[in-house]
Amino acid sequence: EDQVTQSPEALRLQEGESSSLNCSYTVSGLRGLFWYRQDPGKGPEFLFTLYSAGEEKEKERLKATLTKKESFLHITAPKPEDSATYLCAPKAAGNKLTFGGGTRVLVKP
Amino acid sequence: DTGVSQDPRHKITKRGQNVTFRCDPISEHNRLYWYRQTLGQGPEFLTYFQNEAQLEKSRLLSDRFSAERPKGSFSTLEIQRTEQGDSAMYLCASSSRQGSVETQYFGPGTRLLVL
Repeated sequence: EDQVTQSPEALRLQEGESSSLNCSYTVSGLRGLFWYRQDPGKGPEFLFTLYSAGEEKEKERLKATLTKKESFLHITAPKPEDSATYLCAPKAAGNKLTFGGGTRVLVKP
Repeated sequence: DTGVSQDPRHKITKRGQNVTFRCDPISEHNRLYWYRQTLGQGPEFLTYFQNEAQLEKSRLLSDRFSAERPKGSFSTLEIQRTEQGDSAMYLCASSSRQGSVETQYFGPGTRLLVL
């Protein structure tokens, strides 16, 4: 059975304090790993898709990387508006996404 | 295009009542998904449509749940005889496959509270 674990569960950062979020997965036949951002009371917002080990993608202060068993989301010099829950979801053969529990990030000014 | 829309955004009901939610996908997307999300957890897959055909259902989808996509456009999710454990956010997503790339875009969700 596909398993996804995100750590830490929660992260409190000072504005400008860079950090990394981890997504460990056990998925047979990975077809892509997706990162989403979710604000309270809203649906997940798509950030990145990574398809192969070694791939990296960047968007503003966020950079996602992928290995064969993990993905990392690096937040560089975060701002308060980066506060959200970050969800990772590997996709195996088939159509559904299997989400981790998310990392709740709070960036304090 | 304004993205995936869901209606209602909030629903409060009493245990035992039936509820129905609607999802309007992005217009050119032929794939539609329903997920359920409880507080502090990631979304869990419920079911998937390609056009009007329901191609996959999770074991989470008990026989009290039914989903339809009658003309391959909007979809409805009905829960019969609601239970307090059904309280959750119900999320709809849509996508289309372009080559090997498929990205699911989510709607704002319908938050259900069963009293």
